[in-house]
Amino acid sequence: NAGVTQTPKFRILKIGQSMTLQCTQDMNHNYMYWYRQDPGMGLKLIYYSVGAGITDKGEVPNGYNVSRSTTEDFPLRLELAAPSQTSVYFCASSYPGLKNTEAFFGQGTRLTVV
Amino acid sequence: QKEVEQNSGPLSVPEGAIASLNCTYSDRGSQSFFWYRQYSGKSPELIMFIYSNGDKEDGRFTAQLNKASQYVSLLIRDSQPSDSATYLCAGSGEYGNKLVFGAGTILRVKS
Repeated sequence: NAGVTQTPKFRILKIGQSMTLQCTQDMNHNYMYWYRQDPGMGLKLIYYSVGAGITDKGEVPNGYNVSRSTTEDFPLRLELAAPSQTSVYFCASSYPGLKNTEAFFGQGTRLTVV
Repeated sequence: QKEVEQNSGPLSVPEGAIASLNCTYSDRGSQSFFWYRQYSGKSPELIMFIYSNGDKEDGRFTAQLNKASQYVSLLIRDSQPSDSATYLCAGSGEYGNKLVFGAGTILRVKS
């Protein structure tokens, strides 16, 4: 059972370049999330989705875009990379529900913008 | 005001002591609360969740929720050096959709 899979695990980008962080889950979860974690800090929500075709902004959406064409996939697009986007990015997924909405996390993507 | 707030620590406790981690939240519509543990360089992993007022115990861990005071806590009894990690508090949105995390509290258990 793969769970939540993120690719790539590491990436170095130059300022102004673009890239897509891939995230896929095989648990048929409706909810998916993208977080970033700066060194020594907690998780900040970038975007989230409650189902295919539906996305919404989180706390720090600027500089990012997402799409959700299928239940399984939730890619995160960085346009015009900036040093401030250097961070570890985590994708997560969960079942819908008001109570036990445990989130399962991918292994993370460590991104450096130079 | 941040939606979920935690003291960043570090919180240092001796081995065998009780570690008390606290969290407050601003969204009164939040339904459920989660405590995740994150080791350095790793993904967060769920320790406990709670959605009813009161205490919930699981082994050495006890989660406490007070919705009137908008306060969540995690007690770790008989703390071990292996408990040293960052502990993240999270709350779900009013409709159980948006999972928002606090900044995390660093716990150090000294042997």
